Amino acid sequence: DGGITQSPKYLFRKEGQNVTLSCEQNLNHDAMYWYRQDPGQGLRLIYYSQIVNDFQKGDIAEGYSVSREKKESFPLTVTSAQKNPTAFYLCASSSRGSWDSNTGELFFGEGSRLTVL
Amino acid sequence: AQSVTQLDSHVSVSEGTPVLLRCNYSSSYSPSLFWYVQHPNKGLQLLLKYTSAATLVKGINGFEAEFKKSETSFHLTKPSAHMSDAAEYFCVVSDPSTGGYQKVTFGTGTKLQVIP
Repeated sequence: DGGITQSPKYLFRKEGQNVTLSCEQNLNHDAMYWYRQDPGQGLRLIYYSQIVNDFQKGDIAEGYSVSREKKESFPLTVTSAQKNPTAFYLCASSSRGSWDSNTGELFFGEGSRLTVL
Repeated sequence: AQSVTQLDSHVSVSEGTPVLLRCNYSSSYSPSLFWYVQHPNKGLQLLLKYTSAATLVKGINGFEAEFKKSETSFHLTKPSAHMSDAAEYFCVVSDPSTGGYQKVTFGTGTKLQVIP
């Protein structure tokens, strides 16, 4: 079955540590995204990538970094500069295409919950 | 600029009664509109989508939504709630933007409680 795999599902971090969340997809999608979810705030875009070796900041990129070395993989690093990293992180992908063929439908992983101790 | 407003943060219904989750949007274009469902500690699953075809859209698990351009609304309904419908629901708008990238905006979510 095609889909998106996020790992780990739960992660605990001490203050001052960097952590990396994994996201792998086998949907052959060009575009991949990282969202942060906090209670009552919906989903906020951290970073997105439309193609390999290219990525763009979203609305709340400060304190985060990403890479896109392979089409299938889009890992997110939560750095020590992120002041309030405790949250639920969701990875998503979509087929890029043109406006006519791409409706913007997103496919999501199961999420990773990060807790800072 | 685009935006999405989910008018209720919490909705509570009895099992077997109708469900109505309200969503209003703002967009400069003819947008695509979606409803996603999220169960606790899970990812989001697509319920249904509107992409400028029929204005009444049917989705999975008996849900449907009607696109009303004059009211800029895309409310989600279901005739009879089931216990398994208890979850959080997100209304989403998608617009084209410069460079061909689809700008996607999420509502803040509506938590649906189903009472036995």
